[in-house]
Amino acid sequence: AQSVTQLGSHVSVSEGALVLLRCNYSSSVPPYLFWYVQYPNQGLQLLLKYTSAATLVKGINGFEAEFKKSETSFHLTKPSAHMSDAAEYFCAVGGSGAGSYQLTFGKGTKLSVIP
Amino acid sequence: GAVVSQHPSWVICKSGTSVKIECRSLDFQATTMFWYRQFPKQSLMLMATSNEGSKATYEQGVEKDKFLINHASLTLSTLTVTSAHPEDSSFYICSALSDRAGHEQYFGPGTRLTVT
Repeated sequence: AQSVTQLGSHVSVSEGALVLLRCNYSSSVPPYLFWYVQYPNQGLQLLLKYTSAATLVKGINGFEAEFKKSETSFHLTKPSAHMSDAAEYFCAVGGSGAGSYQLTFGKGTKLSVIP
Repeated sequence: GAVVSQHPSWVICKSGTSVKIECRSLDFQATTMFWYRQFPKQSLMLMATSNEGSKATYEQGVEKDKFLINHASLTLSTLTVTSAHPEDSSFYICSALSDRAGHEQYFGPGTRLTVT
């Protein structure tokens, strides 16, 4: 069984400040991990994914995440927040092999960026 | 980039009626598509896996006779909510798994269903 916990349903940061969105996972198999962003009334857009290669994964829009097996974490960071980063962010876990695309999502974290 | 569309984007129906939601991969083929349900301020919950030419696989607790899935072509999957009730009101999102090398998964924009 897999599960995802996103700490903080709502995070506010000032424009230019560091963005840190937390994600912890539970998986009985080596996980594939994903971060998606959802803008209002839109579908999910993939930010980045971890598939057992490099533990530090760089994504689009300046985001990156580090896979830490010992902490079962996959936190999302961005050095400097932009107003356009305001959105809902979802962390997701998939199994390996054929199950890697059947995703279990966290409850999401809404990011607000204060000018 | 690859695009997945959903139609309609928003639908209101009366209790007891059925409504069909389409999910199309516009510029790629997708043998496998997924249907998710998202309640307000909640996460996405996988409902079923749809495979072209075969029966869908439903997650535990999802009524297959209520949520009918048809994946008749490599670019189209449909979800029909039969005998809709107000508790079926939700945001339904599909995703398509590209048949191209890399097997990227792309999400549709979602369909908001309101049952009155």
